[in-house]
Amino acid sequence: DAGVTQSPTHLIKTRGQQVTLRCSPKSGHDTVSWYQQALGQGPQFIFQYYEEEERQRGNFPDRFSGHQFPNYSSELNVNALLLGDSALYLCASSDQTGVFSEQYFGPGTRLTVT
Amino acid sequence: AQSVSQHNHHVILSEAASLELGCNYSYGGTVNLFWYVQYPGQHLQLLLKYFSGDPLVKGIKGFEAEFIKSKFSFNLRKPSVQWSDTAEYFCAVNLYNQGGKLIFGQGTELSVKP
Repeated sequence: DAGVTQSPTHLIKTRGQQVTLRCSPKSGHDTVSWYQQALGQGPQFIFQYYEEEERQRGNFPDRFSGHQFPNYSSELNVNALLLGDSALYLCASSDQTGVFSEQYFGPGTRLTVT
Repeated sequence: AQSVSQHNHHVILSEAASLELGCNYSYGGTVNLFWYVQYPGQHLQLLLKYFSGDPLVKGIKGFEAEFIKSKFSFNLRKPSVQWSDTAEYFCAVNLYNQGGKLIFGQGTELSVKP
């Protein structure tokens, strides 16, 4: 049973560029959440997708956007990259959106902005 | 704003020592509580969770945590640590009125000396 997978593993971008990160949820899961983990910090919630719609959003600017596809996979897009966007981006999946959902995390994509 | 505090940033123990990692949250409503662990080179994994019922919950690998509502705390304990427990530990809170959004603490790095 495949867990949560993310691609790419590492990415280096230049300030001002745009980036797309991808996530495939664990088999049987229909809800995907994205988190940003800066070095030495805990993960911070970006947003959550369910039924191809953004259901919840954390305190992130509109430069951060996402998409969920009919097969439940998801993309995170970041426009106009800033140096401060350098972080590990984690995808988590669950089989429901609510408070009793147990989230399973992927290995993350390490984004470096130069 | 809601927050989660982990008071110990780095804990160093010898094998067989007892472990207690502190976690406090600032939110007056109903919460679900989690401890996640990240072993070196691996992704975040759920250690244990509290939704309701007995405030003393047991997780994997001999870990347990106690929810003390009056103290807004959810401390993680293990009677005797092993070298293989070396990892980063994250406390997380899920607020009843915010669906699946997890709020993480900044993490505690545990180093166990053989």
